Amino acid sequence: DTEVTQTPKHLVMGMTNKKSLKCEQHMGHRAMYWYKQKAKKPPELMFVYSYEKLSINESVPSRFSPECPNSSLLNLHLHALQPEDSALYLCASSRKGAYSGNTIYFGEGSWLTVV
Amino acid sequence: LAKTTQPISMDSYEGQEVNITCSHNNIATNDYITWYQQFPSQGPRFIIQGYKTKVTNEVASLFIPADRKSSTLSLPRVSLSDTAVYYCPLSGNTPLVFGKGTRLSVIA
Repeated sequence: DTEVTQTPKHLVMGMTNKKSLKCEQHMGHRAMYWYKQKAKKPPELMFVYSYEKLSINESVPSRFSPECPNSSLLNLHLHALQPEDSALYLCASSRKGAYSGNTIYFGEGSWLTVV
Repeated sequence: LAKTTQPISMDSYEGQEVNITCSHNNIATNDYITWYQQFPSQGPRFIIQGYKTKVTNEVASLFIPADRKSSTLSLPRVSLSDTAVYYCPLSGNTPLVFGKGTRLSVIA
């Protein structure tokens, strides 16, 4: 079973709101990722957690704050976002790190609209 | 910076075999080649992964020549439901970096 579950599927928030996206996997994977995807563009890496520690931050603005409470959960806290942050946010996981053939499995994504 | 290059789009008729190529001239020794399928408003779905020669599963085949500078995803007898964007990111010492993908349109 290769399932990554993301909630909510859709989120509309104002520019002054604070909200969170949640991601869960029960495959025993030790690496988890956040990607951002704009319409008709490829997914872009945002963050990587490996063994519950942040290992990669692709120069993401501080209004996006990731959190990995345990090996099964990954959150993305959102605050003071801009309309251009509206996108599909994808969570993914892999058995180990994203290295040398470890397959990365994606969730269905959370659609975020900032108004 | 994307490390792979693919045709932007392809068209095919139902029932035909479709071959999508991916160029990765600077592939590293540690890099594996992974193919994903993505439908609109959904996350990418893993199709197949390989390092060299040929890999086959119940969905597709992946052909990788000896120099590994390119790869070809082969989809046998496509149907309308195979209309999607196909990506071929590399996974090695860095996490997946997606190129622009190939938009496959299957026509009845």
